[in-house]
Amino acid sequence: GQSLEQPSEVTAVEGAVVQINCTYQTSGFYGLSWYQQHDGGAPTFLSYNALDGLEETGRFSSFLSRSDSYGYLLLQELQMKDSASYFCAVYTGFQKLVFGTGTRLLVSP
Amino acid sequence: EAQVTQNPRYLITVTGKKLTVTCSQNMNHEYMSWYRQDPGLGLRQIYYSMNVEVTDKGDVPEGYKVSRKEKRNFPLILESPSPNQTSLYFCASSVQGSITEAFFGQGTRLTVV
Repeated sequence: GQSLEQPSEVTAVEGAVVQINCTYQTSGFYGLSWYQQHDGGAPTFLSYNALDGLEETGRFSSFLSRSDSYGYLLLQELQMKDSASYFCAVYTGFQKLVFGTGTRLLVSP
Repeated sequence: EAQVTQNPRYLITVTGKKLTVTCSQNMNHEYMSWYRQDPGLGLRQIYYSMNVEVTDKGDVPEGYKVSRKEKRNFPLILESPSPNQTSLYFCASSVQGSITEAFFGQGTRLTVV
């Protein structure tokens, strides 16, 4: 079976740094993506890691360790607009993208 | 503007009444897929299509049909909706070689009573 585990909720204050973890057990693995979804909105793509290491895109960074079946999304200099749900997703091959259950991030002033 | 358009955005229907949710993309993407999103379960893939006339089942295909007669359109058909198909549905498209970067439509909230 396929299983992606994320914390259900994370809280932080504006300006802080927060890390959202994702551990996975899947039948195949080609890479890990992250998506952001605001309430009532569509998921939007943030990042993709196919190789081990850290990828940085502005205030957001994503990390992957294939040997540990683990990745995380790092959000720096948090802003109120970062309050949203964040999903990790594994590309398992065979044209399949499997999503985690999502982490709700609440940013307070 | 590059986008994936779903219609309708909201739909309330009765059990057994056939319905179609349309999805259209203007990015010339080969790959399209349908997901349903339920609380605590994340996004689950219903069907996907790698190109025109090529479709395949995702993880939760029961009770759904799709077709891909044109590259831009990928409608989702519920022949006989049931209450357990009440959900938020998303259509997504991506370049064939990069399905990890999917572009999603705005979603269709379906209620079956």
